[in-house]
Amino acid sequence: EAGVTQFPSHSVIEKGQTVTLRCDPISGHDNLYWYRRVMGKEIKFLLHFVKESKQDESGMPNNRFLAERTGGTYSTLKVQPAELEDSGVYFCASSQQDRGGYETQYFGPGTRLLVL
Amino acid sequence: SQKIEQNSEALNIQEGKTATLTCNYTNYSPAYLQWYRQDPGRGPVFLLLIRENEKEKRKERLKVTFDTTLKQSLFHITASQPADSATYLCALKDSNYQLIWGAGTKLIIKP
Repeated sequence: EAGVTQFPSHSVIEKGQTVTLRCDPISGHDNLYWYRRVMGKEIKFLLHFVKESKQDESGMPNNRFLAERTGGTYSTLKVQPAELEDSGVYFCASSQQDRGGYETQYFGPGTRLLVL
Repeated sequence: SQKIEQNSEALNIQEGKTATLTCNYTNYSPAYLQWYRQDPGRGPVFLLLIRENEKEKRKERLKVTFDTTLKQSLFHITASQPADSATYLCALKDSNYQLIWGAGTKLIIKP
C-alpha cells in the first residue's frame, strides 16, 4: 500500500511568487490534514478536509493560503503571494477513523519551502 | 494558557539503557495522546496511542504511561539501540481542538 506522497520535496521561491504544494493521501482515507513546521518549533495545524469538504481551516495563517481537495482525493495548498515567514516544512497527513473514534494520522515526507 | 511541552534539549543515552522522554501539558483535557517518531527529512511516524482511561501501553521495547492527574505522559524505550536515535514527538487530542503537538525531543543513542 502506497503511503502519503507530497510534491515537490523542496521549493525555493522569491518573495511575492506563487507556490503550489500537492498531497496525495492514502487511498480510501477521508481525512486529510495540512500542517506546517517552522524550524525549531512545534508542528502547527493548518486545516482539515473530510473528503472534499473543509472541516476546519482555523489554522490557516491568512488569505494568502488556499487549500483545495477536488473530488476528495489529492489536495493542493497554494501560497500566493509568498512571504518570508511562510518558509518551513509543510506536512500532509491522512487518516481514517476507527470504530472507537480514534485515528492514526499517516504523514507524508513534507515539502520544504524556502522563501527568499 | 494552554501548552504542551517536551524537553527541548537532546537526550543522550548509552546503548542498552532505557531512554525516558517526557511530555507535559496544561489546560487541555485530552481524549488520547500519541507518540510519533521523526527522522531527518521525513514526516512523523505513529508509534503508540494511549487513551485517557489507560495508565500504560506497551509495544515491543516501547512503553507509554499517561497520568491525567499530573498531566504528563512518559515514553520509554528499553534496551535502546543506535537505530532508535530520532526526534520523538507527543501529540494530544482534545475534543475542542485538532491534534496539538509538542516540539519534540531529540534522542541520541550512543554505541
